[in-house]
Parts: sequence; structure tokens; C-alpha cells
Amino acid sequence: GNSVTQMEGPVTLSEEAFLTINCTYTATGYPSLFWYVQYPGEGLQLLLKATKADDKGSNKGFEATYRKETTSFHLEKGSVQVSDSAVYFCALYNAGNMLTFGGGTRLMVKP
Amino acid sequence: DTGVSQDPRHKITKRGQNVTFRCDPISEHNRLYWYRQTLGQGPEFLTYFQNEAQLEKSRLLSDRFSAERPKGSFSTLEIQRTEQGDSAMYLCASSKDFLLQETQYFGPGTRLLVL
Repeated sequence: GNSVTQMEGPVTLSEEAFLTINCTYTATGYPSLFWYVQYPGEGLQLLLKATKADDKGSNKGFEATYRKETTSFHLEKGSVQVSDSAVYFCALYNAGNMLTFGGGTRLMVKP
Repeated sequence: DTGVSQDPRHKITKRGQNVTFRCDPISEHNRLYWYRQTLGQGPEFLTYFQNEAQLEKSRLLSDRFSAERPKGSFSTLEIQRTEQGDSAMYLCASSKDFLLQETQYFGPGTRLLVL
């Protein structure tokens, strides 16, 4: 079956630090991969996506590259801000009609 | 495009009571999904609709849960005889065309607390 594994949090960084949140997946075929972000008290918002191997999704300074050889979709940002503090979810869609999510990684950015 | 809306945003009920949640998807989105998210976990799929047809249900969806989408627009999720284990955030999402693996857009969720 499909599964997504994320690094456990919380991840605590100082403002302007480099961010990496690891995500690996298990799936047959060719899933699409997503990062969603959940700010405190809000619903899930799509951050970025990639639909095939070697695609790079990017948005708001965040990037993730679909690596089929390592079944990974790690999220990166070169310089985090306090406003990036949120919970980040990696997810896959694999023709199963639903998204399969990882457990989420809480990011805390300190000024 | 007003986004996915859900009502109510919060619900507190006593064990054994019935509750109903509503979701209004983005207009012209033909797919509608329900997920459940417990504290500290990622969302888990419950069920989805293609227009008015309910095409798949998760094993998480016990007999006490029922979902409808009568006219292919808004959807309701009802939980009968609520239990404390039903306390969670219930998320609704919609998408336009699964063949293109279109993105699912989420509503703000309904947080349920069963006392």
C-alpha cells in the first residue's frame, strides 16, 4: 500500500536559517507528491507539488524535488522567517482517489 | 473562487448525541473528499464523492458515520451516537478532475469535541 514518512518534529530554527524537512514514500506506480502547510487555527493549504520524477515544485521560497530513485520529496527553504512557523505535511496521490499523508512536522522559527 | 467552506467550525457535544457537518466545495469541483485528523497526526481519508455518487469509503468510516452529497454540490457528514473517540478535526476537500490528478483544496475543518 501507500505510505509517507516524515521526520518527526518539532524542528526549531532561528530566523534566516536553512530548512530541510525529510519526506520519503512507499507507493507503486507513479504517484504525485505534495507538501501542504497548516498554520495555527487554519486548514491545510497547498504549498507545492510535483507530478513526475525529477520535477521540482516551488512556492514562497520553498522547494522540493521528486526523487524516484530515493523515493523522497524533501522540503527545503534557504532562509526561514518567523511567519513560516506551522505544521508541514507531505502527501502522495496514487490513483487511489485519496491523499495519503505523513504525520506532519512542526516547524518553529525563533526571531 | 471562494474556496471550500465548512460549517460549523467547532462543535461540542455529549456522548451519544448525533452531529452533522456541512461542506461546500469550490464551485464546479466534481470531487469532494472527507478526511479526519486527530491531534498530532496527518489527515486520514474517510470517503469521497464523484458528483453525487459516493464511490469509496475507508474502513475508518464505521456504520455510525454517513455522508451524502444529494445534488452533487454541498455534502453532509453525520455521526450518530457519538463516542469520545470521534473527537477530531473533520476536513473537507474538493478537486476538479482526477484524471489530471488535480490538487485537492481543503476547507478550514470542523473541530469536534465529544464529552
